Amino acid sequence: DTGVSQNPRHKITKRGQNVTFRCDPISEHNRLYWYRQTLGQGPEFLTYFQNEAQLEKSRLLSDRFSAERPKGSFSTLEIQRTEQGDSAMYLCATTTGGTEAFFGQGTRLTVV
Amino acid sequence: KQEVTQIPAALSVPEGENLVLNCSFTDSAIYNLQWFRQDPGKGLTSLLLIQSSQREQTSGRLNASLDKSSGRSTLYIAASQPGDSATYLCAVKGDYKLSFGAGTTVTVRA
Repeated sequence: DTGVSQNPRHKITKRGQNVTFRCDPISEHNRLYWYRQTLGQGPEFLTYFQNEAQLEKSRLLSDRFSAERPKGSFSTLEIQRTEQGDSAMYLCATTTGGTEAFFGQGTRLTVV
Repeated sequence: KQEVTQIPAALSVPEGENLVLNCSFTDSAIYNLQWFRQDPGKGLTSLLLIQSSQREQTSGRLNASLDKSSGRSTLYIAASQPGDSATYLCAVKGDYKLSFGAGTTVTVRA
């Protein structure tokens, strides 16, 4: 499969725990995005990498959220001290500049 | 800030009818516009990409138009089928990110 891959697909965690999600991009796609989607809404931008550099972060991304993209390959999104409001679908997308963006299947997070 | 609106929020049609989905955006300074399909609990599947210099794009039964100056795009789906039932999202690309509408949920009745 040469598409965008996200793991895990589903994550249930207790409030206060830390979680980490992974995104493996389409090879040679230098731009990688993280989005969050809640029920009935469109995806909201969280952060953006060009190669290994994190160039933009949304104000939605509180201090509890951190993202990395070491060596410009896969990316991880970590949420510390999870809260019930963090429950959402977390989506990863990759592209090569002004071209078509491709999304992964997402990670569904449920905080109980 | 770019605002993207999709009307209607939901649509139910009998099989065979043509679908017309609307998308409007407030800032015409876009690089491209992309239409996506999303099935329940799944990720987004890209349907069509229209560059800002283009007026329309076609793929099979799908046709999307773009009027950048008026901030509008329309997705036409010809001869709808039950398998077309899904949520359709439009997204506009500004300087670096995609801004999404809330989507139109389509139900095609057999």
